[in-house]
Amino acid sequence: AQTVTQSQPEMSVQEAETVTLSCTYDTSESDYYLFWYKQPPSRQMILVIRQEAYKQQNATENRFSVNFQKAAKSFSLKISDSQLGDAAMYFCAYRSPSGTYKYIFGTGTRLKVLA
Amino acid sequence: DSGVTQTPKHLITATGQRVTLRCSPRSGDLSVYWYQQSLDQGLQFLIQYYNGEERAKGNILERFSAQQFPDLHSELNLSSLELGDSALYFCASSVASQGLMGEQYFGPGTRLTVT
Repeated sequence: AQTVTQSQPEMSVQEAETVTLSCTYDTSESDYYLFWYKQPPSRQMILVIRQEAYKQQNATENRFSVNFQKAAKSFSLKISDSQLGDAAMYFCAYRSPSGTYKYIFGTGTRLKVLA
Repeated sequence: DSGVTQTPKHLITATGQRVTLRCSPRSGDLSVYWYQQSLDQGLQFLIQYYNGEERAKGNILERFSAQQFPDLHSELNLSSLELGDSALYFCASSVASQGLMGEQYFGPGTRLTVT
C-alpha cells in the first residue's frame, strides 16, 4: 500500500526568504501523480502544484516549485520570497493513475511566516 | 472558487441526532470524495464515489453512510451523532480516471458541531 510521510510538523521562515517542505512517499508503481495542497486559516483546501511522475522536469507555479526525486521517492515543495499569506498547513498527496483513484495525504506541515 | 459546493456551511446539532451533508461536484467531475478533519488534524479519508458507485472506503464509521446520485451530487449521512463527530467535513471532486491526472478540488467544507 502506498504511504505519504511529512516529517516536519512545523516550519518557520522569515518573510522574503526561501523554505523547503519535505515529503516522501512509498509506492511500487512506476507512474503516479503527486500534489501539494495549502490550507490557510480559512480552512479552505487549495491546490498549489502538481507533478506527473513520468515527467522529469520539476513543476513550477510562480514562487512555488518542487524538487521531485523519483528514485528517492521524494517530493519537496520550495517556496521562494515567502509572504505572510503563505502561512498555512501544507499537505502532500499521492494518487495512483489507475484503480480506485484514491488520494493518499500526508499529515501536513504547518508553515509560519515571520515578519 | 473551486466550483465544488457544499451545504450547509455550518451545522449545530445535539448528540444522538442525524444530519445530511450535501455536495455538488464541479461540472464534468465524476468522482466525489468525502474527508473528515478534526481541529488541527490531518485529513481523514471517509469514502469515494465514481459515477454513482462506491469506489473506495476509508475510515468511515458504520454510523456514517453516503451516496452519489445520478446527477452526480453526493450526500453524507451522519447518524447517532457523538461529541467526537464534531469536525470539518470536506467534499472534493475530481475528473480522475485512467490516464488523467485528475487533481482534486475541494469544497469550502461543512463545519459540524455536536453539542
